[in-house]
Amino acid sequence: QKEVEQNSGPLSVPEGAIASLNCTYSDRVSQSFFWYRQYSGKSPELIMSIYSNGDKEDGRFTAQLNKASQYVSLLIRDSQPSDSATYLCAVNPGEYGNKLVFGAGTILRVKS
Amino acid sequence: EAQVTQNPRYLITVTGKKLTVTCSQNMNHEYMSWYRQDPGLGLRQIYYSMNVEVTDKGDVPEGYKVSRKEKRNFPLILESPSPNQTSLYFCASSPLGHRGYTFGSGTRLTVV
Repeated sequence: QKEVEQNSGPLSVPEGAIASLNCTYSDRVSQSFFWYRQYSGKSPELIMSIYSNGDKEDGRFTAQLNKASQYVSLLIRDSQPSDSATYLCAVNPGEYGNKLVFGAGTILRVKS
Repeated sequence: EAQVTQNPRYLITVTGKKLTVTCSQNMNHEYMSWYRQDPGLGLRQIYYSMNVEVTDKGDVPEGYKVSRKEKRNFPLILESPSPNQTSLYFCASSPLGHRGYTFGSGTRLTVV
């Protein structure tokens, strides 16, 4: 079983819509959760971090965490073509503060 | 500008010829890590370091070496590269492992 799972997509949404990206993880004691955005040929860029259950909002982005169900999601409101990228979910499992485990990523395409 | 700098950006080499990819960060971060990214496999951790002279293996350490003699530098050494090490490599740093990593621009390595 993969430690961090994401639907590879592509997820296609029209411009202005809400894009919903999901991620599940296997290690119940995971403490830290991150969403990275990666444009083609570029390095991953940290866009959201979340550490406790519930929602965390930053501009058009909302991260949601449910530790009981072991999932984390990212909502992108008012999606723009510039949001088209691969979104990587990353989890810091257990007590290993140094280790960051990534999902394979979801490709998002926002069509104008 | 706060950043992680990797060099070179592109490298083509032959099997068995030792090479070093350099990584430097100017943010005084404690944690540094090397990842490789392959299609369909996502980002996988090669080695990480929690401080000077403290390094440990990640998920795919075979064929790689690292050193952390100074806080800012974390070079990746391939003593005898093989074609299966052809990949996109990222260096990353973090002030604390559970706060997410900042990534360098990447090094695309081809071993022929």
